Amino acid sequence: GDSVTQTEGPVTVSESESLIINCTYSATSIAYPNLFWYVRYPGEGLQLLLKVITAGQKGSSRGFEATYNKETTSFHLQKASVQESDSAVYYCALGEPSGSWQLIFGSGTQLTVMP
Amino acid sequence: AQTIHQWPVAEIKAVGSPLSLGCTIKGKSSPNLYWYWQATGGTLQQLFYSITVGQVESVVQLNLSASRPKDDQFILSTEKLLLSHSGFYLCAWNRANTEVFFGKGTRLTVV
Repeated sequence: GDSVTQTEGPVTVSESESLIINCTYSATSIAYPNLFWYVRYPGEGLQLLLKVITAGQKGSSRGFEATYNKETTSFHLQKASVQESDSAVYYCALGEPSGSWQLIFGSGTQLTVMP
Repeated sequence: AQTIHQWPVAEIKAVGSPLSLGCTIKGKSSPNLYWYWQATGGTLQQLFYSITVGQVESVVQLNLSASRPKDDQFILSTEKLLLSHSGFYLCAWNRANTEVFFGKGTRLTVV
């Protein structure tokens, strides 16, 4: 079946350090999966951070970037310099725009950025 | 602007007791509606989706049911809770092939 595997948390980094959260996927039933990173800040709902619908393309938002790599089936999330306000839980997900719009999520990575 | 409201924010319920969780979407007509669930230590998975009033499709069998009594309302319920129902429940919506928007969720603890 379809699945997503991401860096197990918790992850702790210091402010201004670089960050990478790994995400790999398996899409056996979806021919052209869309890939997403969602984020949940403390006390907030789950919100879309970035998405990429075409293999080979890069998505970016709030200083975060992720490239859809079909060869390695990866969609790693990177940021050159994190801030304390980036502390949150990050979820990698894949999905296909269809009737059920089912999103397959990874288990989430708790990120804490130390000042 | 569209808003999604889930209630309650958190619940502690006894095994065998009934449950009703609700979700309302304001500012968008005829949304697609979804229920997602994450068990403690598990992954978020879709439970139900609804494209129109009165029609709900089940994705995962968990001895839960869902209903859509109004265009903007989605209800998740069961008559008898199990310990395994504990977790985090998220309601979500979208239109056509657009981004999926999530609510803030309900934390359910079954004791």
